[in-house]
Amino acid sequence: GAVVSQHPSRVICKSGTSVKIECRSLDFQATTMFWYRQFPKQSLMLMATSNEGSKATYEQGVEKDKFLINHASLTLSTLTVTSAHPEDSSFYICSASPPWTGHEQYFGPGTRLTVT
Amino acid sequence: GENVEQHPSTLSVQEGDSAVIKCTYSDSASNYFPWYKQELGKRPQLIIDIRSNVGEKKDQRIAVTLNKTAKHFSLHITETQPEDSAVYFCAASLMDSSYKLIFGSGTRLLVRP
Repeated sequence: GAVVSQHPSRVICKSGTSVKIECRSLDFQATTMFWYRQFPKQSLMLMATSNEGSKATYEQGVEKDKFLINHASLTLSTLTVTSAHPEDSSFYICSASPPWTGHEQYFGPGTRLTVT
Repeated sequence: GENVEQHPSTLSVQEGDSAVIKCTYSDSASNYFPWYKQELGKRPQLIIDIRSNVGEKKDQRIAVTLNKTAKHFSLHITETQPEDSAVYFCAASLMDSSYKLIFGSGTRLLVRP
């Protein structure tokens, strides 16, 4: 159990375009999911907490209009990077906590975004 | 908000030796402390965690200790093997309604055969 998937695994887009990344909990329902960004050889930086049926909670310094989060169902959260720029190139990872684990978080495989 | 510091940033040990990674946190209300292992290009994998009502937890070659008074916790890996080579992250969390994790900066562990 406790499988989290992401799609796509890699994406290349042109500067100025938007990219959507999906995060799915495959064998459990997740009212809360988390989105992280990880630059090469750096730590995971929490971007936002995605809440099913309500607005996401963004961390300080994260532009909510640039990183749109939608958590429309108990198994799917999406992150849309709008008007992407080369500096948005990064590894984006989501996580979710199965209800039976006592809040252990399990991570998706990540999405490598490259903006050209 | 919570701030987690992790040391060392890199650690090189001989196969069979022990490795210790240390983290400190700032928010005394934090009560959940997981450790993750991340191999290059892969997702972080939970390897062990500890809650604030416990001082030590062990799982085979891996152990974690927690000192709530000093606000620090450590990961101990004994009898290291080359496959232990990876980046290790500590994290801290309030087990409130948010459950969000704040990560340390990571430790790159190299186990030399």
